[in-house]
Amino acid sequence: DAMVIQNPRYQVTQFGKPVTLSCSQTLNHNVMYWYQQKSSQAPKLLFHYYDKDFNNEADTPDNFQSRRPNTSFCFLDIRSPGLGDAAMYLCATSRETGVNSPLHFGNGTRLTVT
Amino acid sequence: AQRVTQPEKLLSVFKGAPVELKCNYSYSGSPELFWYVQYSRQRLQLLLRHISRESIKGFTADLNKGETSFHLKKPFAQEEDSAMYYCALSGDDYKLSFGAGTTVTVRA
Repeated sequence: DAMVIQNPRYQVTQFGKPVTLSCSQTLNHNVMYWYQQKSSQAPKLLFHYYDKDFNNEADTPDNFQSRRPNTSFCFLDIRSPGLGDAAMYLCATSRETGVNSPLHFGNGTRLTVT
Repeated sequence: AQRVTQPEKLLSVFKGAPVELKCNYSYSGSPELFWYVQYSRQRLQLLLRHISRESIKGFTADLNKGETSFHLKKPFAQEEDSAMYYCALSGDDYKLSFGAGTTVTVRA
């Protein structure tokens, strides 16, 4: 009954080799988020979509891109992964923005860069 | 800018003892505060939010604007409370900022 599904759970890529992480949801939520979480650090918001409107955080590197082809799917593309991009990537959804719409998280994808 | 600080990375308590997880924040506006929890091998999920003023699984948290704190408390810890706990803040732009988390271990 998983509602926010991230694939794969573990992803290994080579330095500089483009990689795509995927997230799907069965909640029909309007908002989808991507967070990056490095070891022992807080999850950091990279960007989010409200429906088709893309909202990038000011300090998200250009190396990170996202696509949301429809309500259910959202992708995180890392164009040229560096060693510093190794992290857990969390996808989350919410029905709306605002405090009455809590975030629903996926299990995350752990990215290793070799 | 908004910031959430959880000063304790690790917290270990005995079963039946009280547990308090500290959370301090900085934000110039009127924040909304949350606690999220991640149990072993499970996804991050909402535990409680201050606007609801509710007790969830025996946990409560009070927003203290004077001290800019939102500490999470439970009077009698249980083994199933062992988890990673994240304090989070939502500001006027509704974006959620997380603290670095506190790992709680409840020992029998």
